[in-house]
Amino acid sequence: NAGVTQTPKFQVLKTGQSMTLQCAQDMNHNSMYWYRQDPGMGLRLIYYSASEGTTDKGEVPNGYNVSRLNKREFSLRLESAAPSQTSVYFCASSDEGTSPLHFGNGTRLTVT
Amino acid sequence: TQLLEQSPQFLSIQEGENLTVYCNSSSVFSSLQWYRQEPGEGPVLLVTVVTGGEVKKLKRLTFQFGDARKDSSLHITAAQPGDTGLYLCAGVRGNQFYFGTGTSLTVIP
Repeated sequence: NAGVTQTPKFQVLKTGQSMTLQCAQDMNHNSMYWYRQDPGMGLRLIYYSASEGTTDKGEVPNGYNVSRLNKREFSLRLESAAPSQTSVYFCASSDEGTSPLHFGNGTRLTVT
Repeated sequence: TQLLEQSPQFLSIQEGENLTVYCNSSSVFSSLQWYRQEPGEGPVLLVTVVTGGEVKKLKRLTFQFGDARKDSSLHITAAQPGDTGLYLCAGVRGNQFYFGTGTSLTVIP
């Protein structure tokens, strides 16, 4: 089972460049999430989508946009990358209630 | 500002020792989850605790949810090198998950 698949695994951008991080899940989950992970900060929520067609801001949404393309896919876009966006980005999905988050293996992004 | 604070942030112990990791908040959660993360991978769920005061055991790991559903602890008995990793707590409220700051555990053989 693939679970949650993220692409790319690594990316280096120059300040001001744009890119889209892709995420797909094959577990038929309704909810999908984008987190960033920085040392000593744990995981911080960027955006989430409770169901197909809806998206909501999380704790740190500035500088990012998202698209819930269909039930399987949830993408994260950086329109104009900044060094402060250097981080490891994780996509996750979840069923309802107390179901756990299922994570992808992350995208390590460096902005120079 | 983190909703959930974990302590300690780093822990290095010898194989066979016991340890406890704490996850504290001033907010109430409907449930609390513990995840373990290895380098280069995403976090993986260890346990979910739902009821205030609940205690769950997973082999050598014991998880407790505080009576007021604001805090939790993870106790590992006789730690093994395979327990090495980043431990994260996550408070659940509705369909949102609020993660703690993480505890990096190293178990030395």
